[in-house]
Amino acid sequence: EAEVAQSPRYKITEKSQAVAFWCDPISGHATLYWYRQILGQGPELLVQFQDESVVDDSQLPKDRFSAERLKGVDSTLKIQPAELGDSAMYLCASSPRRGAYNEQFFGPGTRLTVL
Amino acid sequence: KQEVTQIPAALSVPEGENLVLNCSFTDSAIYNLQWFRQDPGKGLTSLLLIQSSQREQTSGRLNASLDKSSGRSTLYIAASQPGDSATYLCAVQTGANNLFFGTGTRLTVIP
Repeated sequence: EAEVAQSPRYKITEKSQAVAFWCDPISGHATLYWYRQILGQGPELLVQFQDESVVDDSQLPKDRFSAERLKGVDSTLKIQPAELGDSAMYLCASSPRRGAYNEQFFGPGTRLTVL
Repeated sequence: KQEVTQIPAALSVPEGENLVLNCSFTDSAIYNLQWFRQDPGKGLTSLLLIQSSQREQTSGRLNASLDKSSGRSTLYIAASQPGDSATYLCAVQTGANNLFFGTGTRLTVIP
């Protein structure tokens, strides 16, 4: 069964360091999402891609976060520099295409701890 | 902005009981509603998706209903099992293609 892949699964870093997370969506899925989930809360959207283009990054803290999906397939989310408040689960999801009736499929997530 | 609320925040039931989880949302202009399961430290597993034109969806022991006009959804779990212990999240999808999540209900099924 096709799945969304993410790596690493866990990352511990010190504040002010740079971190990067990788996501490989389900093959053929045009839309890719990055969410952040703080402990005890629901996920919140950071950025959404349609193919290689960003269609929504309104909630992405652009002073320290960046995301890319260069060939419209896999994606990287980067934080530089990391802050204590960035400790969270980072979830990647994909759907077949952008549209109101598309189910999103989630990966296992990357748990980030900033010390 | 869409706000999604889930009640209760936590629930403990003995094995075999039927139970209902509640989800409410403030803006009824949604395209669909999804229920997810999340095990501790894990990602999200989609359980059921209800399109805005539908009233309910069923999968095995799970049944989800949607009343879009009143901004409510329920997830009914029949004959609960210890393996059902997890956090259950509901999320609504808007025209912007974003999913807005509730904070979840943490379910514990006691053997």
